[in-house]
Amino acid sequence: DAGITQSPRYKITETGRQVTLMCHQTWSHSYMFWYRQDLGHGLRLIYYSAAADITDKGEVPDGYVVSRSKTENFPLTLESATRSQTSVYFCASRGAKTGSTEAFFGQGTRLTVV
Amino acid sequence: RKEVEQDPGPFNVPEGATVAFNCTYSNSASQSFFWYRQDCRKEPKLLMSVYSSGNEDGRFTAQLNRASQYISLLIRDSKLSDSATYLCVVASFNKFYFGSGTKLNVKP
Repeated sequence: DAGITQSPRYKITETGRQVTLMCHQTWSHSYMFWYRQDLGHGLRLIYYSAAADITDKGEVPDGYVVSRSKTENFPLTLESATRSQTSVYFCASRGAKTGSTEAFFGQGTRLTVV
Repeated sequence: RKEVEQDPGPFNVPEGATVAFNCTYSNSASQSFFWYRQDCRKEPKLLMSVYSSGNEDGRFTAQLNRASQYISLLIRDSKLSDSATYLCVVASFNKFYFGSGTKLNVKP
């Protein structure tokens, strides 16, 4: 089915481990985003990408790495996970048309760092 | 300063009530505006876009005031199913910035 999917849906990892969260969309949307959501902070932008091989930092990029070798995939890597990175992570995508094009979200990945 | 500010609520209202949410944004160059709805930490979903002239979708009315950098959402005749968190979203240069959300509880 067309859409945007994230994997895994749930992940528990230990402090210091590297973790990669996957995001895949089938619409060929140009823009993709990663957000984290914590109580009291709403959704905060980690990284975004305007196209394959073009990425840029958002509000809270420290401790994260992204890549976008293909338009449809936008993985997020925590190089050395910390407890403060325990959160719900949402991936989103939108088309390139300027104006009021909405962003569509994946179902989220709930990450716990112990 | 946050890009988007919202009153976190919660707003507790009876069924049938009219409720209004407000939101302010800091970047005057912001280009697009939206209200999203989020249920129980599920993924946010678009409720409606917000246009300068104001727009209505059934019981929902959205307003934008660019001069004051202010966005509003009015919900008339509240239903139990309207209980959710409402997120104000502002797009600037293709980045989407979210408010922290306003929680609405509609009671029987």
